Amino acid sequence: QKEVEQNSGPLSVPEGAIASLNCTYSDRGSQSFFWYRQYSGKSPELIMSIYSNGDKEDGRFTAQLNKASQYVSLLIRDSQPSDSATYLCAVTNNQGGKLIFGQGTELSVKP
Amino acid sequence: DGGITQSPKYLFRKEGQNVTLSCEQNLNHDAMYWYRQDPGQGLRLIYYSQIVNDFQKGDIAEGYSVSREKKESFPLTVTSAQKNPTAFYLCASSIQPGGTNVLTFGAGSRLTVL
Repeated sequence: QKEVEQNSGPLSVPEGAIASLNCTYSDRGSQSFFWYRQYSGKSPELIMSIYSNGDKEDGRFTAQLNKASQYVSLLIRDSQPSDSATYLCAVTNNQGGKLIFGQGTELSVKP
Repeated sequence: DGGITQSPKYLFRKEGQNVTLSCEQNLNHDAMYWYRQDPGQGLRLIYYSQIVNDFQKGDIAEGYSVSREKKESFPLTVTSAQKNPTAFYLCASSIQPGGTNVLTFGAGSRLTVL
């Protein structure tokens, strides 16, 4: 079992729809969770961080964390073509606080 | 502006050659990291450094070496022992060591073995 798993996609949604990206992790000791966006050929940039159970909203983005189910998700409301990118889930393990990345989910927003 | 500078952006290497990728940051961050990314894959940790003159192996350190002689600099050498070095290499830093601190990434270096 991979430490951090994401559906590789591609996930295709129409413009204006809600995109839902999911991530599961194996280490119950994980404390911090991050979503990065990566455009093709570019470096990742942080979109959201979440540290406690529940929802965290920032503009069109909402991160959801459920530690009991070892599940973190990212919702993108009113999806735009500019949201088309690969979204990487990253989780800290309990070994020196290193970030473990999932393989990423490719999102395509169609006009 | 503060940030991380990686060079070169593109690098071609012949088999059997060592190459060094540069990473410089002016963010005054203590921790620095090197990641490797293959097509359709996430980021895998090669090496990380929490403080000057100290560094630790990540998950895929074989065939790579690093140094941290200055706080600002964390170069990565891809040696001839790395069997499949063609990849996108990303350098990152954080204010302090530990996964709770957000990573800032450089623009990346793309290495191709001819």
